[in-house]
Amino acid sequence: GDSVTQTEGQVTVSESKSLIINCTYSATSIGYPNLFWYVRYPGEGLQLLLKVITAGQKGSSRGFEATYNKEATSFHLQKASVQESDSAVYYCALGTQVVGQLTFGRGTRLQVYA
Amino acid sequence: EAGVTQSPRYAVLQEGQAVSFWCDPISGHDTLYWYQQPRDQGPQLLVYFRDEAVIDNSQLPSDRFSAVRPKGTNSTLKIQSAKQGDTATYLCASRWTGGDNYAEQFFGPGTRLTVL
Repeated sequence: GDSVTQTEGQVTVSESKSLIINCTYSATSIGYPNLFWYVRYPGEGLQLLLKVITAGQKGSSRGFEATYNKEATSFHLQKASVQESDSAVYYCALGTQVVGQLTFGRGTRLQVYA
Repeated sequence: EAGVTQSPRYAVLQEGQAVSFWCDPISGHDTLYWYQQPRDQGPQLLVYFRDEAVIDNSQLPSDRFSAVRPKGTNSTLKIQSAKQGDTATYLCASRWTGGDNYAEQFFGPGTRLTVL
């Protein structure tokens, strides 16, 4: 079946440093999945951070970026300079073309310290 | 615009007890999803509806779990006889499929279930 792998369960970064959270996927039942990053801030529900529908394109939001790399089957999340307010759990997900069913990675907890 | 609401927010049960979770999606959203999220894992789809019809319940443990959405609006997920392995957060999400097929899903705050 389809799967999403986030290798890091937790990442700790100093404020103003750069960040990369790794995400790779396997889409055996979907030819061209849509890719998403969701985020859960403390005390809040899951919310969409960014999405990319087309391979080779980049999505961005709130200073975060991710590029849909079909050859490497990757969708890594990057930010040039993190802030304490970015501390949250980040989930990579893939979706089907038609019904929007999502397959999630296990999540990566980001802790940013001053 | 009100978001997806869920109740209760927390539930603690003994094994063998029953529990129901309730979800009110965003008004006008035709598709509703239930996910189970064990601790330190990502959400895993249990079942989803389009209007009142079940589209996919293949991941729902049918012997103990059931889900309904009788009028195509609110939905209830029920566990008949809870087990410790059901301990997780149960998330409801909704989506409108009338336009962009890649429209995002909107998630509720979840119900955190602990089975002792």
